[in-house]
Amino acid sequence: GAGVSQTPSNKVTEKGKYVELRCDPISGHTALYWYRQSLGQGPEFLIYFQGTGAADDSGLPNDRFFAVRPEGSVSTLKIQRTERGDSAVYLCASSLGRGGDEQFFGPGTRLTVL
Amino acid sequence: AQTVTQSQPEMSVQEAETVTLSCTYDTSENNYYLFWYKQPPSRQMILVIRQEAYKQQNATENRFSVNFQKAAKSFSLKISDSQLGDTAMYFCAFMKYYGGSQGNLIFGKGTKLSVKP
Repeated sequence: GAGVSQTPSNKVTEKGKYVELRCDPISGHTALYWYRQSLGQGPEFLIYFQGTGAADDSGLPNDRFFAVRPEGSVSTLKIQRTERGDSAVYLCASSLGRGGDEQFFGPGTRLTVL
Repeated sequence: AQTVTQSQPEMSVQEAETVTLSCTYDTSENNYYLFWYKQPPSRQMILVIRQEAYKQQNATENRFSVNFQKAAKSFSLKISDSQLGDTAMYFCAFMKYYGGSQGNLIFGKGTKLSVKP
């Protein structure tokens, strides 16, 4: 595809359930980011992959959040035991991985925890 | 830690007029990058303009230009000849310089811009 894609576009789940959010970056982009955007706020950094490895996971709020990128392309953000406070739009971005490169964003997944 | 502040939660401008969005940031770094991103109601974040801190010349992209004041840690966005399609949330963002590798973006809270016909 031409851009970053994210699935699903919307996810409604119940408190305590497990969810997976998927990101397909632009082909050839080695860097991949996950951000979380709460209502009325700017995106907040969660985790950054360079290739298959997590180069920086300092933004993950707690150990319920985990992300993988096993083949250096598609990434999955996994949230265990969801809480109502996890409700937000989860944005994925990718870039060529060089300093200061533009990050291209996907349309996001809106997660609602009931 | 770096912070980004956008002091104007909402702004409006008449079509074809000029508007300036403010952004200030706090950092002890000397080298870094600054960005303005646009987020329309569709949610897709789109890069508007990018500035490298070591470049004194202000960046311009068609109708969009910045006023980068490094000493004052200020990075404002000027939109000339505003168009209805400019209606969106605008986010100012900071990225540390990591040599040849990437860094995460630190965003402000955004300014909601409405362009009125």
